Amino acid sequence: GENVEQHPSTLSVQEGDSAVIKCTYSDSASNYFPWYKQELGKRPQLIIDIRSNVGEKKDQRIAVTLNKTAKHFSLHITETQPEDSAVYFCAAKAGQAGTALIFGKGTTLSVSS
Amino acid sequence: GAVVSQHPSWVICKSGTSVKIECRSLDFQATTMFWYRQFPKQSLMLMATSNEGSKATYEQGVEKDKFLINHASLTLSTLTVTSAHPEDSSFYICSAAGPSSYEQYFGPGTRLTVT
Repeated sequence: GENVEQHPSTLSVQEGDSAVIKCTYSDSASNYFPWYKQELGKRPQLIIDIRSNVGEKKDQRIAVTLNKTAKHFSLHITETQPEDSAVYFCAAKAGQAGTALIFGKGTTLSVSS
Repeated sequence: GAVVSQHPSWVICKSGTSVKIECRSLDFQATTMFWYRQFPKQSLMLMATSNEGSKATYEQGVEKDKFLINHASLTLSTLTVTSAHPEDSSFYICSAAGPSSYEQYFGPGTRLTVT
């Protein structure tokens, strides 16, 4: 089955700096790669996603890149703000509705002002 | 759109009792629902996948006789934790996918505490 590795486990940056979180996946059939932000005790919130037919996607300060050959994808957050502090999870799945997302172990991002 | 609810949001039960958690898709039909468990400071671990009208598929290491999953309709799946023990205390989150959607929509989670 799919295995998703995520690094780093913790990341501390100064407000205004950029943050990068990286994930690798094992199943070459995976074709959907979302990123979630989770605050304590709450459900994961989708912040950006990318499908395998696209190499990069951007939404304001957040971007995701995908390298299918190397089986890795990354989350880039620019101009970080204290409210970006949270736990971020990457995930991967193959196919559409019938298969489950498999999550990485998470990255705790701390943005200090 | 794409709202998933869970009930209860939190529950405390005594060791040895059973607890049922409901997951509902409120504005769409979910052919497939997924159950995850999340321990403190850990990731979401997939427990099982359920399809409407058929038996759930459990992940390796998840006891199907302990975690009973029923997906009786296209809008409701239930997870029953039978003979709960303190080590079952966790955050249980369901998610649902529509028939043509890559995205999974997550419920708000249920905090289970077994005393």
